[in-house]
Amino acid sequence: EVQLVESGGGRVQPGGSLRLSCAASGFPFRSYWMHWVRQVPGQGLVWVARINEDGSFTTNMDSVKGRFTISRDNARNTLYLQMNRLRADDTAVYYCVSFGRQWLLSYWGQGTLVTVSS
Amino acid sequence: DVVMTQSPLSLPVTPGQPASISCWSSQSLVNSDGSTDLNWFQQRPGQSPRRLIYKVSRRDSGVPDRFSGSGSGTDFTLRIGRVEAEDVGIYYCMQGTHWPHTFGQGTKLEIK
Repeated sequence: EVQLVESGGGRVQPGGSLRLSCAASGFPFRSYWMHWVRQVPGQGLVWVARINEDGSFTTNMDSVKGRFTISRDNARNTLYLQMNRLRADDTAVYYCVSFGRQWLLSYWGQGTLVTVSS
Repeated sequence: DVVMTQSPLSLPVTPGQPASISCWSSQSLVNSDGSTDLNWFQQRPGQSPRRLIYKVSRRDSGVPDRFSGSGSGTDFTLRIGRVEAEDVGIYYCMQGTHWPHTFGQGTKLEIK
């Protein structure tokens, strides 16, 4: 059974940091690109970042560049999102996602809520 | 960024009736290999998104055959043959051809 289990969310003050983790199982994690997608409660879905199979290539959305870093540990089957200098508009549910090769699959975690508030 | 536009944004449907959602992209979604990475997702209340359709018209495993996708280039459609109560939720189109990948704003399907 495929599982993506996010953790690390919570409440943090503006300017603070959090590190999200996503533990993967049930599929060849090291063979697939991985992604973080976020959703402000009650609003739509927005891509945050992506990383290739071995972690050598990453891209972020413009609004998180210089603040968020996506990484992975293939030995631990775990995806990370280091979030620094958090802002109120980063408040959202963060999903860990895999689409397999060439978009042929679709696996989503249950999401972890990040709340940035003083 | 590629803008994905959906219509309608609200879709009240009588059970057993068909439903259709349109999605337009601001740029062609055709890849250099000729494939098109247009996906459709369903998000039920309180749940993570679930993909229904990939590459315009291919159904994901376990998706009922009342869901179908069509289109090409910049114009795409999701059709539900006969709506059931369990189809309530928000439907999103999403393009995976260009970075950043982008979603439509969502169409809320409700049962009349």
